[in-house]
Amino acid sequence: GNSVTQMEGPVTLSEEAFLTINCTYTATGYPSLFWYVQYPGEGLQLLLKATKADDKGSNKGFEATYRKETTSFHLEKGSVQVSDSAVYFCACNDYKLSFGAGTTVTVRA
Amino acid sequence: GAVVSQHPSRVICKSGTSVKIECRSLDFQATTMFWYRQFPKQSLMLMATSNEGSKATYEQGVEKDKFLINHASLTLSTLTVTSAHPEDSSFYICSARLVDYPYNEQFFGPGTRLTVL
Repeated sequence: GNSVTQMEGPVTLSEEAFLTINCTYTATGYPSLFWYVQYPGEGLQLLLKATKADDKGSNKGFEATYRKETTSFHLEKGSVQVSDSAVYFCACNDYKLSFGAGTTVTVRA
Repeated sequence: GAVVSQHPSRVICKSGTSVKIECRSLDFQATTMFWYRQFPKQSLMLMATSNEGSKATYEQGVEKDKFLINHASLTLSTLTVTSAHPEDSSFYICSARLVDYPYNEQFFGPGTRLTVL
């Protein structure tokens, strides 16, 4: 089956800093890849997605590129804000949606 | 579009009682809905896959008699936690997959916080 490994947190940053959260996956086929964000006390919201190799997903200043050769889908944002404080989940959808463990990001003003 | 709601958002019950959680797709039809459980500071664990009009498929280790799932229509799935105990306290999240939507994307509900006293 498929599985996802993502960078463990917690990650604490200052506002306007650069954020990277590493994510790698294993899958038998050609999965779709997702990043979800969860704000405190809430469910998951789709942040961005990519459905084939070399696709770049982007939303709200976040980006991630589907790298088949390295089986990675690292999340990046060039300048974080306090409102980006949340838990971020990388996910891989082959025949089943599998989530990484989640990375807690805290951005300080 | 593609909004999923859950009700209730928060429930507190006594040990031994049963609790029903509803998951609705508000503006689309979902042949498949999923139920997840999330423990504090942990990832989502898939409990079961619910297909409209048929029995749910449970993941290994999930007690189907404990967590009853019914998917009676294309817009509604329910999870009933029977004879709840404190260890069942958790955050339960449902998701729905849009019929024929590409990439198998799932749309998530806002979650239900269950506390069993």
